[in-house]
Amino acid sequence: DTAVSQTPKYLVTQMGNDKSIKCEQNLGHDTMYWYKQDSKKFLKIMFSYNNKELIINETVPNRFSPKSPDKAHLNLHINSLELGDSAVYFCASSQGQLGYTFGSGTRLTVV
Amino acid sequence: KQEVTQIPAALSVPEGENLVLNCSFTDSAIYNLQWFRQDPGKGLTSLLLIQSSQREQTSGRLNASLDKSSGRSTLYIAASQPGDSATYLCAVDGSSNTGKLIFGQGTTLQVKP
Repeated sequence: DTAVSQTPKYLVTQMGNDKSIKCEQNLGHDTMYWYKQDSKKFLKIMFSYNNKELIINETVPNRFSPKSPDKAHLNLHINSLELGDSAVYFCASSQGQLGYTFGSGTRLTVV
Repeated sequence: KQEVTQIPAALSVPEGENLVLNCSFTDSAIYNLQWFRQDPGKGLTSLLLIQSSQREQTSGRLNASLDKSSGRSTLYIAASQPGDSATYLCAVDGSSNTGKLIFGQGTTLQVKP
């Protein structure tokens, strides 16, 4: 029973396209996140939502728009994809002092 | 601005050795610190979580320590096995309000049979 699940696992698309990545957690956590892992394997936060409300937006381009329909879901929509958007995107959730649980990642390749 | 550094970047040891991975952070005002493991092409698996008020946590062959005043944490792996080969990531959570994890670059461990 997967705690944090992301779809799709792999995404290959052309420059200029619009794509979405979905994330769901069944842990009952209040806070969800999107992290980006670049080609050098460095992980950096993009967004966090607490109970559907945006808490953190780490100077991510406007082409990235997170949406949280409820506290168990946090989707990431990306407009006008660029080559530099190629990375692995991780969804995560947390609840107070219980630490973070990460999804298995979505490998996005823009060609 | 919080920065997290992990040393060494890569480590190769023979099976059975005990080893220590190091993590340092610049701002001691942390909420907690978490060690993760990442296998190639996979997600992050949480290994140990240390609250700011704690000094160490243990799980099986793993022991993580935290010294907030000096801005350091270590992950000790006892009797290493080839299955321990992975990248180990240290991450600090700087605030109970923002819940923003700052990651180190990781230590890639190879345990040779």
